[in-house]
Amino acid sequence: KAGVTQTPRYLIKTRGQQVTLSCSPISGHRSVSWYQQTPGQGLQFLFEYFSETQRNKGNFPGRFSGRQFSNSRSEMNVSTLELGDSALYLCASSLAGEDVAGELFFGEGSRLTVL
Amino acid sequence: AQTVTQSQPEMSVQEAETVTLSCTYDTSESDYYLFWYKQPPSRQMILVIRQEAYKQQNATENRFSVNFQKAAKSFSLKISDSQLGDAAMYFCAYRSAWGSNYKLTFGKGTLLTVNP
Repeated sequence: KAGVTQTPRYLIKTRGQQVTLSCSPISGHRSVSWYQQTPGQGLQFLFEYFSETQRNKGNFPGRFSGRQFSNSRSEMNVSTLELGDSALYLCASSLAGEDVAGELFFGEGSRLTVL
Repeated sequence: AQTVTQSQPEMSVQEAETVTLSCTYDTSESDYYLFWYKQPPSRQMILVIRQEAYKQQNATENRFSVNFQKAAKSFSLKISDSQLGDAAMYFCAYRSAWGSNYKLTFGKGTLLTVNP
């Protein structure tokens, strides 16, 4: 069974641009979560989607948005990029209701550099 | 809001020895889940072990075991017979058991070095 796939793996943008990151969850997983990882702040929760609905949202500005499609694939978008948005963005999928403890399976991440 | 604290930014251990990574958390909830995740240099994070708060018995997965002290809000990870492949960043994480909440709150991590 294929794991969580994130694309692109690396990307470089300039301030003010916008970026879209993609995540394909493990087949059968209906929950997709996004995390931002930086050396200073560590891992911070961005949002979680389940059946195309955002169920939870972290404490990030409105420039960060996401969505989930009917096939459970998810995208996140960051508009008007700032230098501080440089980070590793991790996507994780879960069986959700079928796994009460909610183990998350992570992708390898998308490394965003903002110049 | 829940917080997770890992007080050891870095740890090192000799191959075949035992090492314990510390984690404390703060919550007002009585039902929750605790996890240890491992992030090797390749970056993909994988689950090492998990503990349900309502279970008194400490979880064990092969060479990995936890010491869960609910009253003290402590959740340490013990790695026995350390191997070179155990070298990684280890994150302690908390998840509420209430509702459809799949948000994980992570600690800042502990970088484990395994010396041959």
